[in-house]
Amino acid sequence: QVQLVESGGGLVKPGGSLRLSCAASGFTFSDYYMSWIRQAPGKGLEWVSYISSSGSTIYYADSVKGRFTISRDNAKNSLYLQMNSLRAEDTAVYYCARAQIVVVPAAIGYWGQGTLVTVSS
Amino acid sequence: QSALTQPRSVSGSPGQSVTISCTGTSSDVGGYNYVSWYQQHPGKAPKLMIYDVSKRPSGVPDRFSGSKSGNTASLTISGLQAEDEADYYCCSYAGSYVFGTGTKVTVL
Repeated sequence: QVQLVESGGGLVKPGGSLRLSCAASGFTFSDYYMSWIRQAPGKGLEWVSYISSSGSTIYYADSVKGRFTISRDNAKNSLYLQMNSLRAEDTAVYYCARAQIVVVPAAIGYWGQGTLVTVSS
Repeated sequence: QSALTQPRSVSGSPGQSVTISCTGTSSDVGGYNYVSWYQQHPGKAPKLMIYDVSKRPSGVPDRFSGSKSGNTASLTISGLQAEDEADYYCCSYAGSYVFGTGTKVTVL
């Protein structure tokens, strides 16, 4: 079955950096768009970024543009999120997520359990 | 993009029906048939309940249904059950994703 396992979260000071990883299994990773979606404590869902199956198409939310970088390694079935210049408002659970179908990534079919990133001095 | 607008909370008794609205613009909800709905229980990851406005993934009970009119999408839960108590989020895809503000469903 589809499994998405995030790692790399933790406590970081404002202005610091962190790299999240997501290990995927149970499906052909290289076929699917992948996303990072976050949820601040007690708040709603916020899409962060997505990357196409080949990595050629990438989009970011305005709130992270220029600070975060999404990437993938299809040979390792892994998704990454490099987060730089972190701010207190980036504190959230970060979910790795897979598009539901291959052709159009219009819905998120599978979610990991999330990894908590806390930005605080 | 601004978050889609959902009511903060809705409630109903077991067996009743509740409907959650999700209002956007012609640039998102109204412009594409790519509205999805997610259920999230406390401390858990979201789960896809409806995609492409009205389609249900396998395993999702047919008590859950979706529709859209103009810039507003809706999720209806018929025959409300205790396990339906959760937060629900709509989402529109128009080249990027925008989520709704979230609705807490309470089963009385």
